[in-house]
Amino acid sequence: DGGITQSPKYLFRKEGQNVTLSCEQNLNHDAMYWYRQDPGQGLRLIYYSQIVNDFQKGDIAEGYSVSREKKESFPLTVTSAQKNPTAFYLCASSPRGAYEQYFGPGTRLTVT
Amino acid sequence: DAKTTQPTSMDCAEGRAANLPCNHSTISGNEYVYWYRQIHSQGPQYIIHGLKNNETNEMASLIITEDRKSSTLILPHATLRDTAVYYCIVVAYSGAGSYQLTFGKGTKLSVIP
Repeated sequence: DGGITQSPKYLFRKEGQNVTLSCEQNLNHDAMYWYRQDPGQGLRLIYYSQIVNDFQKGDIAEGYSVSREKKESFPLTVTSAQKNPTAFYLCASSPRGAYEQYFGPGTRLTVT
Repeated sequence: DAKTTQPTSMDCAEGRAANLPCNHSTISGNEYVYWYRQIHSQGPQYIIHGLKNNETNEMASLIITEDRKSSTLILPHATLRDTAVYYCIVVAYSGAGSYQLTFGKGTKLSVIP
């Protein structure tokens, strides 16, 4: 099946640990995005990438890092510098020139 | 991006049309109106978008006022599966290959049996 996969669905970590969230797509899309969603709130853009080996900061990039070594993959690392990492993280992708973004099912991260 | 204003919540009877309003009074000439929805604990789903003409697809219709300061998303025959948060988003598309979506809090639509 074609689509975007995020794993795991639920993730638990201790405070002070870095954690990497996976995002893979087999849609051959050029652009990929990471969003964060807090309870009762809309989505906020963390990072996005238009092509391999290139990415830009979104509105709330502090405490996060990304890489784009392959077209299919855009992992997000939540570092210990992120003060409030507990949230629902969503990955999306879009083909070049398209108007819509396709979202994955999300990863719910809980840091205690 | 221009900001949007949506009601916090709405109810709709099953089988009736759901009309979701959105105000975007500061929209610029090159900005599109997008609608996404998010069913609880899932990723958002694209519904429809438009620039100035009314649009229709298999999911919904989008009515944009002539001055483009507001729009209405219409779900013609709402079902229980349409219960979700609906986001109205205004986006300037640069054509550079990607664009940023800024999601507000949206409208929580509850479809009532």
